Amino acid sequence: SYELTQPLSVSVALGQTAKITCGGNNIANKNVHWYQQKPGQAPVLVMYRDSNRPSGIPERFSASNSGNTATLTINSAQAGDEADYYCQVWASNTGVFGGGTKLTVL
Amino acid sequence: EVQLVESGGGLVQPGGSLRLSCAASGFTFSTYEMDWVRQAPGKGLEWVAYIYGSGSTIYYADSVKGRFTISRDNAKNSLYLQMHSLRVEDTAIYYCARHSTSSYYMDVWGKGTTVTVSS
Repeated sequence: SYELTQPLSVSVALGQTAKITCGGNNIANKNVHWYQQKPGQAPVLVMYRDSNRPSGIPERFSASNSGNTATLTINSAQAGDEADYYCQVWASNTGVFGGGTKLTVL
Repeated sequence: EVQLVESGGGLVQPGGSLRLSCAASGFTFSTYEMDWVRQAPGKGLEWVAYIYGSGSTIYYADSVKGRFTISRDNAKNSLYLQMHSLRVEDTAIYYCARHSTSSYYMDVWGKGTTVTVSS
């Protein structure tokens, strides 16, 4: 089965750039989607199909996908960006989520 | 407003059964595929099941195959998850999510319903 690997945690200083990676075998051949989940809340889609932002998601959020790694980038990180982030793909008729990355804004 | 509202969670003993429901509103339910996704306490997201708009195609995670059944009633704008032979490890918040057809992502999520399997 297909697996996605994310770092457990990433820290970023307020106003700096955070990068969260998602590793998978030839992940560049798949559409990668990203979700943000704040404590006690449901997940929210923040990026879809590698690099597309849903309406309402700030332009500070961007993403890329190449080789074996997809990356979610958050520019000018704000306190409100502190959350868990999950990458997701669809593989062999199943949904696959990464283990999640806790983003801490210092 | 597009909305998904789950219900039916609760406390059940190991080996028991439970049926979750998800009420959809604000969009044409029958034209959308749907998913169930769960999250065990303190853990990450785990995809559980998928159903096509007409109900003609269904997929399950290996961890629930043979025990859970996803279904829908388009006339009632409702999604269901029938769970049998529940195990302690099925304890989780269960979310229903609208599935985008174009690239297989979940663009709308409910707030979830909590299932606790314990004796």
